[in-house]
Amino acid sequence: DGGITQSPKYLFRKEGQNVTLSCEQNLNHDAMYWYRQDPGQGLRLIYYSQIVNDFQKGDIAEGYSVSREKKESFPLTVTSAQKNPTAFYLCASIPGLGAQRGNEQFFGPGTRLTVL
Amino acid sequence: AQSVTQLDSQVPVFEEAPVELRCNYSSSVSVYLFWYVQYPNQGLQLLLKYLSGSTLVKGINGFEAEFNKSQTSFHLRKPSVHISDTAEYFCAVSDAGGTSYGKLTFGQGTILTVHP
Repeated sequence: DGGITQSPKYLFRKEGQNVTLSCEQNLNHDAMYWYRQDPGQGLRLIYYSQIVNDFQKGDIAEGYSVSREKKESFPLTVTSAQKNPTAFYLCASIPGLGAQRGNEQFFGPGTRLTVL
Repeated sequence: AQSVTQLDSQVPVFEEAPVELRCNYSSSVSVYLFWYVQYPNQGLQLLLKYLSGSTLVKGINGFEAEFNKSQTSFHLRKPSVHISDTAEYFCAVSDAGGTSYGKLTFGQGTILTVHP
């Protein structure tokens, strides 16, 4: 089955530690996105990538980093510089080179990160 | 810049009653509009989208939405809800032109709770 996988589903980390969240898609989609979800705030864009080896900051990129070495993979690292990292993180992708207009984003199941 | 406002953070309703979830948006350019549903601890699933043409859009699970350009609204409706419709619903917009790269701006979400 084609889709987006995120691992792990639940993640715990201690303050001061970096942690990497995995996002893999086998949909052959070009663009990929990372969102952070907090209660009552909707989804906020962290980073996005149109093509391999290229990515752009979203609205809340501070304290996060990404890489896009392969088309199907877009890992997110939550660094110790992120002051309030506890949240639900969602990865998404969209078909079409250059993100054809009107295509909807497909979402993974999410990773819930808790800082202890 | 775009913004989305979902006017109700929570909507309680009895089973088999009609429901309307309200969404207003602000944008200086033409937009595409989306409604997504999220069940607890899961990713988002597309309900419906408006790109152009008929302002009444039908989606999955019996939902529909109407685009009103003059009022910059995109309200979601269902004539008769089921217990299984209990979830959080998100309205989102994207730029219909330019170089938005499929980026979405989300509302804060509306939690729909269907009571027996």
